Amino acid sequence: GESVGLHLPTLSVQEGDNSIINCAYSNSASDYFIWYKQESGKGPQFIIDIRSNMDKRQGQRVTVLLNKTVKHLSLQIAATQPGDSAVYFCAENIGRGGADGLTFGKGTHLIIQP
Amino acid sequence: EPEVTQTPSHQVTQMGQEVILRCVPISNHLYFYWYRQILGQKVEFLVSFYNNEISEKSEIFDDQFSVERPDGSNFTLKIRSTKLEDSAMYFCASSPGRGNQPQHFGDGTRLSIL
Repeated sequence: GESVGLHLPTLSVQEGDNSIINCAYSNSASDYFIWYKQESGKGPQFIIDIRSNMDKRQGQRVTVLLNKTVKHLSLQIAATQPGDSAVYFCAENIGRGGADGLTFGKGTHLIIQP
Repeated sequence: EPEVTQTPSHQVTQMGQEVILRCVPISNHLYFYWYRQILGQKVEFLVSFYNNEISEKSEIFDDQFSVERPDGSNFTLKIRSTKLEDSAMYFCASSPGRGNQPQHFGDGTRLSIL
């Protein structure tokens, strides 16, 4: 089965509203998590990361929350803009200390309505 | 801002032929990766590379695949005897060092096997 997955395939929000994208993971050994944004025809673009010793991390307009008890990760985007429309992936790394491959979820398509 | 570059952007190849996908990682990065994304699906890890050798590989990365860093800047993925199911986007990524650090992706090569 998948180690990382997403609850909603598509999320539509009004421009200016806040959005929350959710992600569930099943590997309790995962200790590093990343959110990526992928626009059409482009590669995954790093947004924000969080290590398992943290519950929350904030960036510019984005916040990642980690709940290790229920193995849940979320990405909050504040004051959404048209440029936020993209597919968002969460990814995890078991973190064995070396060049570890990321395990990606299926992605959530965020649509910003004008 | 430094970025990972990949060439070509689109490669069309006859089934059974060999292809080489090329990547120039970010210059001061030490870890290199290949991922693939079949149309409409999630990004899947293929292989990671550090210090001129494979660090980790997934079950997808079988004897058909090989990686090489032929010089100080390029990182290549070779696929021998391509199959129809090899059609996908192939992404190269790099990260700065050991431990949990964000992987930065190129915009990919779209491989189409006819």
